[in-house]
Amino acid sequence: DQQVKQNSPSLSVQEGRISILNCDYTNSMFDYFLWYKKYPAEGPTFLISISSIKDKNEDGRFTVFLNKSAKHLSLHIVPSQPGDSAVYFCAASDRGSTLGRLYFGRGTQLTVWP
Amino acid sequence: NAGVMQNPRHLVRRRGQEARLRCSPMKGHSHVYWYRQLPEEGLKFMVYLQKENIIDESGMPKERFSAEFPKEGPSILRIQQVVRGDSAAYFCASSPTGPASDTQYFGPGTRLTVL
Repeated sequence: DQQVKQNSPSLSVQEGRISILNCDYTNSMFDYFLWYKKYPAEGPTFLISISSIKDKNEDGRFTVFLNKSAKHLSLHIVPSQPGDSAVYFCAASDRGSTLGRLYFGRGTQLTVWP
Repeated sequence: NAGVMQNPRHLVRRRGQEARLRCSPMKGHSHVYWYRQLPEEGLKFMVYLQKENIIDESGMPKERFSAEFPKEGPSILRIQQVVRGDSAAYFCASSPTGPASDTQYFGPGTRLTVL
C-alpha cells in the first residue's frame, strides 16, 4: 500500500514563478518528512526536511509546509529556475518504530521553462 | 568529503546469474540503507544495516536476496539466480548516527539489467 502519495506526476512552471509540489500521507505515526530531488541516472539529492513538531521549514528558495491534521505537506520553490527541473520525491519516516525506513512517493516531474 | 559511492553503476546479468552491488557510505557514516526503484515507481526500502549487523531486512525478498556490511569494506547487496523482475535501480544511502535524527544521503545507484 502506498503510504506516501504524490498525486501529480508532472508540473510545469515558468522561470521566476513559484513551484508548489504536494504530498499526502496516510500513516499518522510519521514524524519526519523529507524532500529529495533526482536527476536522470543519478541518486536522490536531499533538499530539505521537517520534523512533525514544526509546520514550516525554510532553506533559501525552498520552503516545506506541514499540515498534520490534513496529513499533507508541500514544497515551495521560489523563484523557480530552469536548473530546478528534475523529479521531486517526498519521503516520510516513523523514526520511533520503523528504524529509519523511508517511505517514498512516486515523484513529481518538475519542468521549469524560460 | 566524498559522497556515497556505489559500484558498478551499470550491471548486466543473464537470468540465473548472481549480481553483487557494492556501497561505500560517506566518511563517518556507519548506517547503510538499500532501496530499490522499479520503473515509474518511488524508491522502496529493502534493508538497513550497521557494521556487522542487519538491523531491519523486512523490505527484502525472503529468497535470493542477502545483504551484509562487514567490519571492513563496503556493504554488499547480493542477488542470486537473478530473474527479469530484478531489473531495477538499486540505491544505497547512509547516515552518520542512525534513524532517529539523521537524514539519509544517497549514492548514484546501480542499474541492474537482467537479460
